[in-house]
Amino acid sequence: DSGVTQTPKHLITATGQRVTLRCSPRSGDLSVYWYQQSLDQGLQFLIQYYNGEERAKGNILERFSAQQFPDLHSELNLSSLELGDSALYFCASSVSGGNGYTFGSGTRLTVV
Amino acid sequence: ELKVEQNPLFLSMQEGKNYTIYCNYSTTSDRLYWYRQDPGKSLESLFVLLSNGAVKQEGRLMASLDTKARLSTLHITAAVHDLSATYFCAVGHFGNEKLTFGTGTRLTIIP
Repeated sequence: DSGVTQTPKHLITATGQRVTLRCSPRSGDLSVYWYQQSLDQGLQFLIQYYNGEERAKGNILERFSAQQFPDLHSELNLSSLELGDSALYFCASSVSGGNGYTFGSGTRLTVV
Repeated sequence: ELKVEQNPLFLSMQEGKNYTIYCNYSTTSDRLYWYRQDPGKSLESLFVLLSNGAVKQEGRLMASLDTKARLSTLHITAAVHDLSATYFCAVGHFGNEKLTFGTGTRLTIIP
């Protein structure tokens, strides 16, 4: 157990639907990062939050949004889902990015 | 835009042999990471390299960083089956904590 908790582990949903992925960082980590891993695009950085505020943005679609709550857990909201959104979504956390991240076990999203 | 290339993409090697995975990146960076991923699993941190000439070793794996050449290597010594996995390098961006990952190297160790 890495200390980063992601729920749910698996999610199957239909096109056009909306889902929410949840991440609880390691105790003491203020930063949360979201990554998408797909076969065609590899590991892509989506977004980073630090202590409740957006810190950096990557290749995140407008249909996707995220937030970090006062208790530091984070949620990634994916809406108007398309088949191509099927992927593994990882959350990671860190105290300071310089020493790297700790990744959660991921949420496997399948859009049918 | 920072680009990170790994090679080879696939590597099949016999137990007991040595091999090296290469990670090249396109712009200056101050940190480089190596991760391991087993199929369907999370990413496990292997090494954090923060300065030119940094070398770190753990068991049969050794990583090094040459910031002038924008190159990192992951060397495998006397491979064993348990090392079969996909290995990723990731490069940090100056001024923020975003990482750009390489394509990954799928390593298969054959008995």
